[in-house]
Amino acid sequence: QQPVQSPQAVILREGEDAVINCSSSKALYSVHWYRQKHGEAPVFLMILLKGGEQKGHDKISASFNEKKQQSSLYLTASQLSYSGTYFCGTEGAGGTSYGKLTFGQGTILTVHP
Amino acid sequence: SQTIHQWPATLVQPVGSPLSLECTVEGTSNPNLYWYRQAAGRGLQLLFYSVGIGQISSEVPQNLSASRPQDRQFILSSKKLLLSDSGFYLCAWAPGRGEQYFGPGTRLTVT
Repeated sequence: QQPVQSPQAVILREGEDAVINCSSSKALYSVHWYRQKHGEAPVFLMILLKGGEQKGHDKISASFNEKKQQSSLYLTASQLSYSGTYFCGTEGAGGTSYGKLTFGQGTILTVHP
Repeated sequence: SQTIHQWPATLVQPVGSPLSLECTVEGTSNPNLYWYRQAAGRGLQLLFYSVGIGQISSEVPQNLSASRPQDRQFILSSKKLLLSDSGFYLCAWAPGRGEQYFGPGTRLTVT
């Protein structure tokens, strides 16, 4: 089943913060985050494995709550280059889900000067 | 470093015509390979998944097929295209169970 992302869209001014959420109804092994610019392929941002970890680099970080099957992506002090559509991809904990991702519907992030 | 190639970049095909999209990966061996389709303004739908030569898992029943004739080559085919096959086709590779890296994609329009 497809994970649910929220919000569907968010508009920011440069320097503002944003949080994008990803929620699944099934037990997860991992959550992946990608950013896609218009007309381009998705670009990998980070992966979080079960165990309730948090990761980050530069001003983008993410958390994974294994018990709630939820992940959040945090973008701080947003830059114009952060604009794009953000997708979470989830890998189920079951053996049949090995290596296979189910993607959310995406969150459109727009950063204005 | 690893790179992934897809061709063609764009394709316009009439309904009922055949299709062949190719994806190759360089700089790695025995990668997991994936074909996704993305309809306009939508998310990514997994079509096929391969963990090795000749090993293909089909995720969505449809008129498409995939083959992996070599370790780093993945081909998506159709004998007869439908209008609903239009979309952005993305190939991705992964070093096993981990992050996936996408190719530049093929934009297919079926007329």
